[in-house]
Amino acid sequence: DGGITQSPKYLFRKEGQNVTLSCEQNLNHDAMYWYRQDPGQGLRLIYYSQIVNDFQKGDIAEGYSVSREKKESFPLTVTSAQKNPTAFYLCASTSDNNEQFFGPGTRLTVL
Amino acid sequence: GQNIDQPTEMTATEGAIVQINCTYQTSGFNGLFWYQQHAGEAPTFLSYNVLDGLEEKGRFSSFLSRSKGYSYLLLKELQMKDSASYLCAVRKYNFNKFYFGSGTKLNVKP
Repeated sequence: DGGITQSPKYLFRKEGQNVTLSCEQNLNHDAMYWYRQDPGQGLRLIYYSQIVNDFQKGDIAEGYSVSREKKESFPLTVTSAQKNPTAFYLCASTSDNNEQFFGPGTRLTVL
Repeated sequence: GQNIDQPTEMTATEGAIVQINCTYQTSGFNGLFWYQQHAGEAPTFLSYNVLDGLEEKGRFSSFLSRSKGYSYLLLKELQMKDSASYLCAVRKYNFNKFYFGSGTKLNVKP
């Protein structure tokens, strides 16, 4: 089955640690996105990538980093510079006919 | 942000019809999207409008007026499973970025 996978589903981190969230898609989509969602709020764009080896900052990129070495993979690293990292992180990709598909999400909690 | 506004919460009765409104102010508009999100889960795509008018998909319809910066999602024959948050999102031409509203939490009661 085609889709987007994110791992892990739940992640706990101590303050001061970097952590990498995985996102893999087998939909052959060029465009991929990382969003953050806080309770009762909409999605805010962290980073996006339109094509392999290229990515752009979204609205809240500070404290985050990404890479896009393969079309299928778009991992997100939450660094210690991110002051309030506890949130629900969603990865998405967009098809040629404009439909955006989301992965199941990773819920990150900083202890 | 892109000034995307939706009501925070709505309540409706099973079997009824409900309309969820979304207003936006943006340049470079390239489509308006509606998503459903159940608590703790990822959003799922419902509908998409890029031209003015009504798009119908079964029990769900979405309307767009670009001149008014206005869209609505219409849900017919409400079912209990329709209780969820509904997110309105605007896509811009610039790198196809999506901007999301805060979502409308819909409570369907028996």
